[in-house]
Amino acid sequence: KQEVTQIPAALSVPEGENLVLNCSFTDSAIYNLQWFRQDPGKGLTSLLLIQSSQREQTSGRLNASLDKSSGRSTLYIAASQPGDSATYLCAVDSGGYQKVTFGTGTKLQVIP
Amino acid sequence: NAGVTQTPKFRVLKTGQSMTLLCAQDMNHEYMYWYRQDPGMGLRLIHYSVGEGTTAKGEVPDGYNVSRLKKQNFLLGLESAAPSQTSVYFCASSDMHRGNEKLFFGSGTQLSVL
Repeated sequence: KQEVTQIPAALSVPEGENLVLNCSFTDSAIYNLQWFRQDPGKGLTSLLLIQSSQREQTSGRLNASLDKSSGRSTLYIAASQPGDSATYLCAVDSGGYQKVTFGTGTKLQVIP
Repeated sequence: NAGVTQTPKFRVLKTGQSMTLLCAQDMNHEYMYWYRQDPGMGLRLIHYSVGEGTTAKGEVPDGYNVSRLKKQNFLLGLESAAPSQTSVYFCASSDMHRGNEKLFFGSGTQLSVL
């Protein structure tokens, strides 16, 4: 059974700092991995999706990498801003509509 | 720009009461899902649908029923609510599963069962 872990559960950084969020998974046989952002009281918004054959994806200040062999993905946020404060979740698709496994998220606080 | 819309946003039920959560999507997606989110746990799949008229059980289906009579709507029913069903419920949709389709989520329904 796929297990997805995100450590740390919470992170606080000063504005302007570059930061890395981590996601690890136990089964390397995946179709894709998605990073989501969740604001309090809101739904999840997809930030980046990395297909199994890809190594990384970039969108603005966000860069996500995928290393299937080690079961790890990282989300890099450059020049963090207070508006980046949210919970970031990763989700691993192991190949089926019912086989998307979510991590519990990292709650990020960017301090002005 | 509606995307995925869930109603209601909040609901309080007494044990044993019933209710239906409605999810509507305007992206013509084939696949729709119901998840629940509990503190300290990742989102867990309750039921899903791969097309109009089809439904299937997910990871935690007990105590819930679903229907997809129209492609754009996916209903989640609780026939006899229990305190263990206190949670935040999210509906999501995606296009045909080819391994590279993003999930689009609604804003959630916070349900409390007393």
